[in-house]
Amino acid sequence: DTGVSQDPRHKITKRGQNVTFRCDPISEHNRLYWYRQTLGQGPEFLTYFQNEAQLEKSRLLSDRFSAERPKGSFSTLEIQRTEQGDSAMYLCASSPPWLGAAETQYFGPGTRLLVL
Amino acid sequence: KQEVTQIPAALSVPEGENLVLNCSFTDSAIYNLQWFRQDPGKGLTSLLLIQSSQREQTSGRLNASLDKSSGRSTLYIAASQPGDSATYLCAVNLANSNYQLIWGAGTKLIIKP
Repeated sequence: DTGVSQDPRHKITKRGQNVTFRCDPISEHNRLYWYRQTLGQGPEFLTYFQNEAQLEKSRLLSDRFSAERPKGSFSTLEIQRTEQGDSAMYLCASSPPWLGAAETQYFGPGTRLLVL
Repeated sequence: KQEVTQIPAALSVPEGENLVLNCSFTDSAIYNLQWFRQDPGKGLTSLLLIQSSQREQTSGRLNASLDKSSGRSTLYIAASQPGDSATYLCAVNLANSNYQLIWGAGTKLIIKP
């Protein structure tokens, strides 16, 4: 399978715990996006990487959230001191660098987080 | 600030009917508009992408149109089938170098056999 993969697919945690999600983009895709989707809503942009550089962060990404892409390949999204309001589906997408295709994002299956 | 709205929020139609889903956006400065499908608990599948210079795109039984000046797009589904049941989301790609997507809340479509 050469699509975008995310791990874990589901995570249940207690309020106050830290969680980390991983995203493996499609090989050769230099752009990587994180989105958050709550029930009944469309996804909301969280952050964007081009290679290893984090170029944009949404105001939704509070100080408890941090994302990394250390070698320009996989990315991690960590949430510290989770709150019930963090319960959502966290989606990762990647897109290629070549002209005419960079605007097409390929999505992973998402990680569904439930904070009790 | 770009806002994307989808109407209706939910739609239920008998199998075989043709139907139209609507998407509107507030700022016409977009790079492109995309329609996605999302099955329950799943990720997103891209259906159609319309560049800002285009008026429509077709794929099989799906046809998407774009009117940038009025800030509207429609997704037309012909001869609907139960397998078309899903949530359909539209997203506009901002005209910036990050290709950030701004999403509508989706239309939940149920096709009754």
